[in-house]
Amino acid sequence: DGGITQSPKYLFRKEGQNVTLSCEQNLNHDAMYWYRQDPGQGLRLIYYSQIVNDFQKGDIAEGYSVSREKKESFPLTVTSAQKNPTAFYLCATRQGEELFFGSGTQLSVL
Amino acid sequence: GEDVEQSLFLSVREGDSSVINCTYTDSSSTYLYWYKQEPGAGLQLLTYIFSNMDMKQDQRLTVLLNKKDKHLSLRIADTQTGDSAIYFCAESPSISNSGYALNFGKGTSLLVTP
Repeated sequence: DGGITQSPKYLFRKEGQNVTLSCEQNLNHDAMYWYRQDPGQGLRLIYYSQIVNDFQKGDIAEGYSVSREKKESFPLTVTSAQKNPTAFYLCATRQGEELFFGSGTQLSVL
Repeated sequence: GEDVEQSLFLSVREGDSSVINCTYTDSSSTYLYWYKQEPGAGLQLLTYIFSNMDMKQDQRLTVLLNKKDKHLSLRIADTQTGDSAIYFCAESPSISNSGYALNFGKGTSLLVTP
């Protein structure tokens, strides 16, 4: 997992609540990504950021929001508009042709 | 996005070779990847191959690429119980409309039995 820290490891969301997943990196990589993983499914891209103060929607951005105020940090907010948020969330950074992943956050609905 | 296809499950005996197969759709992909995921963990990059190569070997791992058929395989020699995990195939997009995010298959669960 190198220099990518995701927290918390486990997170529970109540109905109608927004929750924020943290992703911090000390690798000095410009590009960062959020993926969602459901059991038996591949990884689906939620949002990505190629540089500070810029981010773009991925394939399944609805119900999610992000910010990129610092190079080191790319937090993901799961809003109440996301009706099926239970999943494993993975943050990644890129250097050249390689993608590096954090250890993930498991989000569950109470 | 484009589909990367993998078989979902493979079971082998300890000491045997494992071969995990993948087909991809973007014939212009620059790099093709194999990642390993253990339960409750992130993805670990095992190896990747440049699209103008047809084979890459790294210790127990051998990657074969058939660009004509858009087929990628990962062979693990002398498979050990510690190799039990989910293995993901991924392709890099030829056209960057997603910040060069990789496109992943659904993963192959490898079970190694004693």
